[in-house]
Amino acid sequence: DAGITQSPRHKVTETGTPVTLRCHQTENHRYMYWYRQDPGHGLRLIHYSYGVKDTDKGEVSDGYSVSRSKTEDFLLTLESATSSQTSVYFCAISPVGQPQHFGDGTRLSIL
Amino acid sequence: GQQLNQSPQSMFIQEGEDVSMNCTSSSIFNTWLWYKQDPGEGPVLLIALYKAGELTSNGRLTAQFGITRKDSFLNISASIPSDVGIYFCAGLLNAGNNRKLIWGLGTSLAVNP
Repeated sequence: DAGITQSPRHKVTETGTPVTLRCHQTENHRYMYWYRQDPGHGLRLIHYSYGVKDTDKGEVSDGYSVSRSKTEDFLLTLESATSSQTSVYFCAISPVGQPQHFGDGTRLSIL
Repeated sequence: GQQLNQSPQSMFIQEGEDVSMNCTSSSIFNTWLWYKQDPGEGPVLLIALYKAGELTSNGRLTAQFGITRKDSFLNISASIPSDVGIYFCAGLLNAGNNRKLIWGLGTSLAVNP
């Protein structure tokens, strides 16, 4: 699992509620990423971070925000969850110049 | 968003057979990666390729970085039941702080014992 912990692993919530997913790494890597995985779409990048307080948008960033106040934690927030955000969310990390390694995912259901 | 063309989409083979899958792109990449994903888990890196023409093996797996830098293939020799899963290719566009991976949609492999 490359020193990556995602929490929670499973969550069920209702439309309109805020949701925060956490990614914690013990590797001290510079880069951290949030993806969502949906059938027929593969892995799609939501946001990524290239350092503390340095983040950028991915291809499906609408409806999501992120924060990285310290190297080891990267938070993904859905301010007001919608059913279209039901998905499996993966965090990944990478050191400079190296491939990404993934956590085990968070399965999020929004009813 | 941009995606790689990965084929085949799925394969059903007999144990012991060899497997081949590939990815193509209209863009040039400087890194190609191959991952495997088991149910309920995150993708796991199998092979990383950094140079055009590079051929790299990891046990029964062999992958190549195409000469044009627009394609890559993965071969699995003598398949076994634990090879079952979804295999993803990914190309890396690396420019400054932009380290976004472009992904294929995966090849789902089933192995009949």
